[in-house]
Amino acid sequence: GNSVTQMEGPVTLSEEAFLTINCTYTATGYPSLFWYVQYPGEGLQLLLKATKADDKGSNKGFEATYRKETTSFHLEKGSVQVSDSAVYFCALSGAIIQGAQKLVFGQGTRLTINP
Amino acid sequence: DAGVTQSPTHLIKTRGQHVTLRCSPISGHKSVSWYQQVLGQGPQFIFQYYEKEERGRGNFPDRFSARQFPNYSSELNVNALLLGDSALYLCASSYQETQYFGPGTRLLVL
Repeated sequence: GNSVTQMEGPVTLSEEAFLTINCTYTATGYPSLFWYVQYPGEGLQLLLKATKADDKGSNKGFEATYRKETTSFHLEKGSVQVSDSAVYFCALSGAIIQGAQKLVFGQGTRLTINP
Repeated sequence: DAGVTQSPTHLIKTRGQHVTLRCSPISGHKSVSWYQQVLGQGPQFIFQYYEKEERGRGNFPDRFSARQFPNYSSELNVNALLLGDSALYLCASSYQETQYFGPGTRLLVL
């Protein structure tokens, strides 16, 4: 079945450091890929997405490229801020089965940015 | 535009009780999904509804049920609550395969 594996956390960086959070997936067919962010005590916010191979999703300085050959969707940001501290989830949306399209999530990576 | 709304925000129940959680999707979205997020883990799919019909169900017992109303809002019901049902319950509405999440209902079962 479909699955997502994320880089184990927690990750702690200093402000303005470069960020990479690794995400690899296993899926049949051609899934869409997503990064969601969860701030303390809140629900999930869509950060970015890519729907086909070689697509690059970007938002708020974050980027991720859909790499079919390595089944990866790594999240990157060139210069992190304290406000980026949150839990980041990689997810895939697989084939529509009986009309349902569910998201399969990784376990999440907690990111803390120190000033 | 209003996002996905959920009620209540927090809930405390005791084992064996029943709970109903509510969700209103983004205007124009016809599909609603429910997820359970246990502390420290990623969300797990429970149900998806589209046009009032169940389109998919995750690996959850029959104690979990849901329905969708003509205005596309949805309810999640859980019967005979267990301690292990304590979690954040997230609702998401969908548009063109992208799911947008609400703030969640945090359920504590004592």
